[in-house]
Amino acid sequence: GIQVEQSPPDLILQEGANSTLRCNFSDSVNNLQWFHQNPWGQLINLFYIPSGTKQNGRLSATTVATERYSLLYISSSQTTDSGVYFCGLVDNDMRFGAGTRLTVKP
Amino acid sequence: DVKVTQSSRYLVKRTGEKVFLECVQDMDHENMFWYRQDPGLGLRLIYFSYDVKMKEKGDIPEGYSVSREKKERFSLILESASTNQTSMYLCASSPGQATYEQYFGPGTRLTVT
Repeated sequence: GIQVEQSPPDLILQEGANSTLRCNFSDSVNNLQWFHQNPWGQLINLFYIPSGTKQNGRLSATTVATERYSLLYISSSQTTDSGVYFCGLVDNDMRFGAGTRLTVKP
Repeated sequence: DVKVTQSSRYLVKRTGEKVFLECVQDMDHENMFWYRQDPGLGLRLIYFSYDVKMKEKGDIPEGYSVSREKKERFSLILESASTNQTSMYLCASSPGQATYEQYFGPGTRLTVT
């Protein structure tokens, strides 16, 4: 099956800093999502982005399917951005990376 | 907004008990999924369903069964709970073959003692 790798595994930022999270995948896919898992465990859908670029406020994402990676950008980070960010891809079923744990310090 | 609800946020059961986890979605989605999430192992797919009364095994179906009698409801059943089934269980749904965008429920944190 498809392998999904996320980097970095952990990221600590000062409030206001920008960051880039990366998701590499081992085979071409037509579907990719970015999620934020909140402190209560719920996965919040950030972007459905099989290709191209999308923006939502301080967050944006870019997927280059031909090169098998996706990037999540967080600008002007806030403490509420803390949590774990997952990318997931659908093949016959959904495959997730191990996540990036982001900590934003005030 | 798509809403996916799960019957319990926290659940404590004893070893050997039969456990039912319920998931309901209100957007007429065709596909529904059950995952479990464990530290260091990430999210793993247990079962999924593409239609009523249809089910497919995921990565870790052992010890679990599922039921989908109605389109909006997908149940995960632990026939005889064991301590290694202590985990966070997440349900998701997606609209169908045109898009695979998934929407997740709030999760159920199950502890088996």
